[in-house]
Amino acid sequence: NAGVTQTPKFQVLKTGQSMTLQCAQDMNHEYMSWYRQDPGMGLRLIHYSVGAGITDQGEVPNGYNVSRSTTEDFPLRLLSAAPSQTSVYFCASRSTADTQYFGPGTRLTVL
Amino acid sequence: KQEVTQIPAALSVPEGENLVLNCSFTDSAIYNLQWFRQDPGKGLTSLLLIQSSQREQTSGRLNASLDKSSGRSTLYIAASQPGDSATYLCAVHTGGFKTIFGAGTRLFVKA
Repeated sequence: NAGVTQTPKFQVLKTGQSMTLQCAQDMNHEYMSWYRQDPGMGLRLIHYSVGAGITDQGEVPNGYNVSRSTTEDFPLRLLSAAPSQTSVYFCASRSTADTQYFGPGTRLTVL
Repeated sequence: KQEVTQIPAALSVPEGENLVLNCSFTDSAIYNLQWFRQDPGKGLTSLLLIQSSQREQTSGRLNASLDKSSGRSTLYIAASQPGDSATYLCAVHTGGFKTIFGAGTRLFVKA
């Protein structure tokens, strides 16, 4: 089991560029989510999905899109990057026993 | 609105000391509470999950307690070791697929 994988590990963008952060899990979990982690603020939920074809907004969804076409994959799209989106992004999946499993994170810098 | 607070923000202890990390939450209507460990530059690793109907959970040198009525959880680490140095986060699952994280306690165990 690879668990939750994320690519890329690091990314630098210019303001206005778009990109997709990839997330995949091989544990057959229905629930997946995206968080951003900023210094002193803990993790904040961006979007989540409770199964293929079903997504919903979290606490800070503006500027981000998600889709869930398969159980395994849950990509996060930045539509037009802004410096305020400089952060570390974590993808997570949750088992039926409620334990959350996190990926290693993507460090994004927007210049 | 659920808020999760962790005090202290940072803690430094000598090796071998027993210690307690605190987590408080404002709304007692929680589904469960989870403690995580995060090493620098890494993702989160689940340590313990306490369901709302439980009072405590134990794993090795770790013991987590939950008092819903007072909105508090503690993570007890026995006989601390330098390898325990990390940031410890608590997260409250409020149902509706939302999880609220505290900002974490950064622990340093001196050899």
